[in-house]
Amino acid sequence: GAVVSQHPSRVICKSGTSVKIECRSLDFQATTMFWYRQFPKQSLMLMATSNEGSKATYEQGVEKDKFLINHASLTLSTLTVTSAHPEDSSFYICSARGRYYQETQYFGPGTRLLVL
Amino acid sequence: GNSVTQMEGPVTLSEEAFLTINCTYTATGYPSLFWYVQYPGEGLQLLLKATKADDKGSNKGFEATYRKETTSFHLEKGSVQVSDSAVYFCALSFSNTGNQFYFGTGTSLTVIP
Repeated sequence: GAVVSQHPSRVICKSGTSVKIECRSLDFQATTMFWYRQFPKQSLMLMATSNEGSKATYEQGVEKDKFLINHASLTLSTLTVTSAHPEDSSFYICSARGRYYQETQYFGPGTRLLVL
Repeated sequence: GNSVTQMEGPVTLSEEAFLTINCTYTATGYPSLFWYVQYPGEGLQLLLKATKADDKGSNKGFEATYRKETTSFHLEKGSVQVSDSAVYFCALSFSNTGNQFYFGTGTSLTVIP
C-alpha cells in the first residue's frame, strides 16, 4: 500500500526556537495533505489542509503564523512550528491523499515534539 | 456539527475474549465511517471502513456495521489476540468535501495472555 513518511520521528527543542517537520508521500502524488495534532489521551485534531501549490487552509483556532505549512511539491509538505513553547509539545501527524476526494487517505507515523 | 463519540478506555481483555468498542456519530449528511488502529510508536492504519448504511466493514477478524438508524459503527472481534493491543479510533469523513476526518478520542485496548 501507499506509504507516508515523517521526519523527524522525535524532536526536542528549546523554547523560542523553530522546528520543521517533513511529511513525504513515497509512492504516490499527494495532491492534498492534512496536518493533525494529537494531545495525550485525546483524539486527533485537524490543524490545516494543504493543496500542492496553494496556501494552506487552517482550522478555526489554529494560528497560521505560528504553524507554517508549505506544500511545494506533490510529494512533500512541511510544518514549521515557529517560536515553539512548551504548550506546543504534542504529537503531530500528517496524512496525504491523491487528487480525488474518494481516494484513501494515508497517515504518517507521526512526530513527537517536546519543547523545553 | 460533525462528531464521533467512542467508549472510554482503557479496555483490558484476556486473550480469546470477545471485543466490542462502541462508536456513535453525529453528522450533517451521509458520511463514510472508519476504524483506524494505532500501534505503539506508529501512525494510524486503516483497519476497516463502510461507505453507506448497512455496509459491513471487515478486516483481520474485526467487523463493524454502519447503522444509520442508531448512528453507530461499533467495532467487534470474536477472539482477540495479544497482537491486537493498540489504540483504536473511530472516524467519519465526507468524501465529497475534501475527505477531512473527524476522529473519536480513541480507545486503548490491552490484551493479556
